Amino acid sequence: QKEVEQDPGPLSVPEGAIVSLNCTYSNSAFQYFMWYRQYSRKGPELLMYTYSSGNKEDGRFTAQVDKSSKYISLFIRDSQPSDSATYLCAMSVRDRGSTLGRLYFGRGTQLTVWP
Amino acid sequence: GAVVSQHPSRVICKSGTSVKIECRSLDFQATTMFWYRQFPKQSLMLMATSNEGSKATYEQGVEKDKFLINHASLTLSTLTVTSAHPEDSSFYICSARERGADRDRRKLFFGSGTQLSVL
Repeated sequence: QKEVEQDPGPLSVPEGAIVSLNCTYSNSAFQYFMWYRQYSRKGPELLMYTYSSGNKEDGRFTAQVDKSSKYISLFIRDSQPSDSATYLCAMSVRDRGSTLGRLYFGRGTQLTVWP
Repeated sequence: GAVVSQHPSRVICKSGTSVKIECRSLDFQATTMFWYRQFPKQSLMLMATSNEGSKATYEQGVEKDKFLINHASLTLSTLTVTSAHPEDSSFYICSARERGADRDRRKLFFGSGTQLSVL
């Protein structure tokens, strides 16, 4: 079983739709949760960053973490064609020397927002 | 934001040759560099972690002698794929952890990746 599971999609929605992206994980030691956006053949860029459980909102983006269910979500409101990309969830354990900064990624969900 | 420059962006080589990929932090010092590999429609898989001035730590299943990592300075790390074969064809991405970032995972910055194609 992979440590981080993410449905690869593809997901195609009309402009203005609310998009819901999700990941599940098995390692209860994960404490840091991130969402990255990756355009084709480019490096990931950080969108949202959450420590432990709870919600975080930034503009049109909302990240939710439910540690009891080992489930995280990213919501995109009023989606735009420019949001079309692959969205990767990533997680990290609490600091331990050699693992500091190491991320575990989901496969990524490919999103297309059509006008 | 902090910039990590990765070169080349794309390389095509013949089987058996060696390829070097460079990763530079342009406006910050990186104490740790991570090298990932990404196959089509797959997640980024960590290959190795390198700290400046130290030997790299490789993940299980990654051949140390095949993927040589050098992190000689706080702004430069290189990955050399030695005697490349078609199965090494993949997208390679580096990530740099900013010096002094402590526990802040936001201080991890990614390069733009290198698409390696081995014929």
